[in-house]
Amino acid sequence: DAKTTQPNSMESNEEEPVHLPCNHSTISGTDYIHWYRQLPSQGPEYVIHGLTSNVNNRMASLAIAEDRKSSTLILHRATLRDAAVYYCILRGREEGNTGKLIFGQGTTLQVKP
Amino acid sequence: NAGVTQTPKFRILKIGQSMTLQCTQDMNHNYMYWYRQDPGMGLKLIYYSVGAGITDKGEVPNGYNVSRSTTEDFPLRLELAAPSQTSVYFCASNPGLGTAGGYTFGSGTRLTVV
Repeated sequence: DAKTTQPNSMESNEEEPVHLPCNHSTISGTDYIHWYRQLPSQGPEYVIHGLTSNVNNRMASLAIAEDRKSSTLILHRATLRDAAVYYCILRGREEGNTGKLIFGQGTTLQVKP
Repeated sequence: NAGVTQTPKFRILKIGQSMTLQCTQDMNHNYMYWYRQDPGMGLKLIYYSVGAGITDKGEVPNGYNVSRSTTEDFPLRLELAAPSQTSVYFCASNPGLGTAGGYTFGSGTRLTVV
């Protein structure tokens, strides 16, 4: 399974944008880039995913580099509720792939009032 | 829809006891997964299933067993509890290959083995 690399921690101020980076230099052409977040004492929550093009949803935006070796999760206006551990994970799409998500350590985001 | 439901939410076991962690989903998802999360760590995959009657080992399967007799249910069995199995357990589901969407996780079972 291709691996991802994220910073251990990041800080942000409330109501400011946050850019969470992820490196995945060994990504294959059929891997989707998934982002999840885990609030304290809760299960992981799906945030967004993409393949090649940038993606937007109500929670966040995902910017994917042209060579797909890195991506950035963008929270447009951080709130205190966004303080969580954010995981960047590659999910295979090929036939026979079991769709397993292999979690790394993630990035712990602190949001300051 | 309830999504993924895990029971119990909390449990304390004595060393050597057995228990089954229940997981059920009402989304007709084919793929289901069990993860454990130790304090301050990321999630580790224990077992997974791509459909009823099909299960396979993940990264840390030792000490656990699973079964998948229906699409909805994916119970995790601990036969001889050990302190090393103290952890938070999460169940997750996904529609399966051919769909690229996100996974749905349960709220977890916090297990302490003493």
